[in-house]
Amino acid sequence: DQQVKQNSPSLSVQEGRISILNCDYTNSMFDYFLWYKKYPAEGPTFLISISSIKDKNEDGRFTVFLNKSAKHLSLHIVPSQPGDSAVYFCAAIDGATNKLIFGTGTLLAVQP
Amino acid sequence: NAGVMQNPRHLVRRRGQEARLRCSPMKGHSHVYWYRQLPEEGLKFMVYLQKENIIDESGMPKERFSAEFPKEGPSILRIQQVVRGDSAAYFCASSPRDVQGAGGYTFGSGTRLTVV
Repeated sequence: DQQVKQNSPSLSVQEGRISILNCDYTNSMFDYFLWYKKYPAEGPTFLISISSIKDKNEDGRFTVFLNKSAKHLSLHIVPSQPGDSAVYFCAAIDGATNKLIFGTGTLLAVQP
Repeated sequence: NAGVMQNPRHLVRRRGQEARLRCSPMKGHSHVYWYRQLPEEGLKFMVYLQKENIIDESGMPKERFSAEFPKEGPSILRIQQVVRGDSAAYFCASSPRDVQGAGGYTFGSGTRLTVV
């Protein structure tokens, strides 16, 4: 039962263009969402988050959008850079349990 | 200002041996979580611990796996009688009590377990 879903296993984008990574969730009790970035042989690192009371959060080149009615969030990276190439995990916090539930990840490749 | 420390980074065990994975949380963090990443899969929750307490072990396999977070020392994930299917990357994360305020968890670099 995958509560957080990332339906695109991979995405390829040209340097300088926008990368859009998508994520869907099923549990309406999730109240906080995060994106993590992961390089091979390293642990995930926190990138950006958004509370369920907001619909947008921006940090430099990274913006996360939340559509609660659709149970959908997306991460926009603009402009994309080759160093952004990594696996991106969407995650949600169940406020009742403190548990972080991860999606299956999207491998982003930014082509120079 | 060390982050979450996991050791060893790589661990090779023969089938039937025991594997012990260690995790020292970030300073000031009292909550520890273990996740497993199987090849070609995402991160799966295993167990959530506070000092001397298991809070949620709903993701732990029923047999051979155990975890502890003693009053002193690191958290330990123990896998007894390992099988080839246990080969995976095991990640530890820690957080303060206010997980959301902290921006989620801080992860270690992981232990890659290979069972031969």
